[in-house]
Amino acid sequence: EPEVTQTPSHQVTQMGQEVILRCVPISNHLYFYWYRQILGQKVEFLVSFYNNEISEKSEIFDDQFSVERPDGSNFTLKIRSTKLEDSAMYFCASSARGGTNTQYFGPGTRLTVL
Amino acid sequence: KQEVTQIPAALSVPEGENLVLNCSFTDSAIYNLQWFRQDPGKGLTSLLLIQSSQREQTSGRLNASLDKSSGRSTLYIAASQPGDSATYLCAVRKETSGSRLTFGEGTQLTVNP
Repeated sequence: EPEVTQTPSHQVTQMGQEVILRCVPISNHLYFYWYRQILGQKVEFLVSFYNNEISEKSEIFDDQFSVERPDGSNFTLKIRSTKLEDSAMYFCASSARGGTNTQYFGPGTRLTVL
Repeated sequence: KQEVTQIPAALSVPEGENLVLNCSFTDSAIYNLQWFRQDPGKGLTSLLLIQSSQREQTSGRLNASLDKSSGRSTLYIAASQPGDSATYLCAVRKETSGSRLTFGEGTQLTVNP
């Protein structure tokens, strides 16, 4: 069964450093998402991406964040200058179409900012 | 702003029991509702998706219902098994919010052998 994959599974970085989290969505899906979950808190929406542009973003997704689909398979989330409060589990998701469709989530990348 | 609440926060039951998990949302103008399972330190596994025009969806021992007008959904698990132990999350997509899912805090279920 097709699945969303994410790398790395765990990323440790120093405050102020840039990190890139990588995702490979399900191959025939057209909509891509990033969510995050701070330990002990709810899963929060960050951004959705369709047709090579951001279709929606939350108030969390400020100028420190960016997303890119550099090729036909990868979808990346970049955090330019990490802060301690960026420590969280970051989930990538994809769906075949937009809101009517199930969003399928990857296993997540645990980001630890020291 | 859409708020999603799940009750109870934690539930412990003996194996074989039927159980109900509750989800409520403050804005009934939703497009659909999705139930997920999350195992500790793992990703989210989609269980069921209910469109706003539907009343319920079934998959195996799972049955999810939706009462959009009252802002409620329930997830019914029949004949629970220890392997069902996980955190169950509900998430709603609001009609006017693109594809964003708004999540509840989850119900942590433990099924004891």
